[in-house]
Amino acid sequence: SQTIHQWPATLVQPVGSPLSLECTVEGTSNPNLYWYRQAAGRGLQLLFYSVGIGQISSEVPQNLSASRPQDRQFILSSKKLLLSDSGFYLCAWSSGGRDTQYFGPGTRLTVL
Amino acid sequence: GNSVTQMEGPVTLSEEAFLTINCTYTATGYPSLFWYVQYPGEGLQLLLKATKADDKGSNKGFEATYRKETTSFHLEKGSVQVSDSAVYFCALRGGMNTGFQKLVFGTGTRLLVSP
Repeated sequence: SQTIHQWPATLVQPVGSPLSLECTVEGTSNPNLYWYRQAAGRGLQLLFYSVGIGQISSEVPQNLSASRPQDRQFILSSKKLLLSDSGFYLCAWSSGGRDTQYFGPGTRLTVL
Repeated sequence: GNSVTQMEGPVTLSEEAFLTINCTYTATGYPSLFWYVQYPGEGLQLLLKATKADDKGSNKGFEATYRKETTSFHLEKGSVQVSDSAVYFCALRGGMNTGFQKLVFGTGTRLLVSP
């Protein structure tokens, strides 16, 4: 069966510090991968998606970036965090662009 | 563009009460519709889905019927439990035949069930 992992589970970082969140998927090949952000009391916003290694599409302009160095690894990064980057970050995968998305446990990021 | 509108919460119910969480959508083509549930501190779990008009998705006592005539996908459960307390998200994926179709979420509805 397929599983999706995210780490760390929680993170507290100062403004201006770098960020690296990791997501890995097991039990499937060539998945579509997604990064979402859920701000406090709000819905989910799609940040990035990837249909293959090295292929990243950005949905919203921001100071975050994403990379996919391996087939089942998806990384969310920032060079300098802003207060507004605080939130709950969720990674998801699907078998194709039209298939059901399955979510990881999330990373709660607090920028102080 | 595609959008999803959910009733605002929180919805507060007593155990064994009947639950309805309204969801309506705007989309071109023939979208697929989903309900996801998020328990406190966790990620989202797929609760149920429907991929065409008049389909009924069901799981764990929850049901939702894809109504194209009213562009709705309301979530219902006949008798809620305390363990159903969570945030529920309605979502749609665009129905165009080609290309990547992203998942569009509603803002979520918090359900609080008391003993």
